[in-house]
Amino acid sequence: AQTVTQSQPEMSVQEAETVTLSCTYDTSESDYYLFWYKQPPSRQMILVIRQEAYKQQNATENRFSVNFQKAAKSFSLKISDSQLGDAAMYFCAYSRNAGGTSYGKLTFGQGTILTVHP
Amino acid sequence: NAGVTQTPKFQVLKTGQSMTLQCAQDMNHNSMYWYRQDPGMGLRLIYYSASEGTTDKGEVPNGYNVSRLNKREFSLRLESAAPSQTSVYFCASSELRSPDTQYFGPGTRLTVL
Repeated sequence: AQTVTQSQPEMSVQEAETVTLSCTYDTSESDYYLFWYKQPPSRQMILVIRQEAYKQQNATENRFSVNFQKAAKSFSLKISDSQLGDAAMYFCAYSRNAGGTSYGKLTFGQGTILTVHP
Repeated sequence: NAGVTQTPKFQVLKTGQSMTLQCAQDMNHNSMYWYRQDPGMGLRLIYYSASEGTTDKGEVPNGYNVSRLNKREFSLRLESAAPSQTSVYFCASSELRSPDTQYFGPGTRLTVL
């Protein structure tokens, strides 16, 4: 079974600084997707960024970027120029790509609470 | 375009009571999912429906049943609620294509006394 581990229960960063959240995963599959979701106090789950395992290039979305190390099974999220609105719980998630009904079954990590200090 | 909606937002039950959580999406998605979120843990998949007319168990299905009423609606039923089912429940939907991205509802906070 796939597992996703986030070893940092809490992280903090100063506004305008950069912070990196860590995620490791375990799988025997070669084709899969990885995601970072943000959950602010409103509880809404918001997709931040996604990465296809077959792509070597790291995904980037504005101030958010990932460092995807497939051999090491590591998938970290870097937030640049941190803003107060980035404060939230961040979840790393894995989805196997096996076609048919295996699509979309997300396995989540335990989450990292990010605090942004003004 | 409301996305994924869930009702109710909050619910308190007594042990042994039953209830149904409702979920609807207006994005014409094929797949729908139910997750639960417990403190200190990520979301765990309860049941999912890859397409209208099909449902399958996820990681933690015991104590729950689901119904995919039509393409838009996917309900989760607790037949005899237990305190261990106190949690926040999320519904999500997605297109069955690569890369799959799930869109989540706002969640239902359920307390079982």
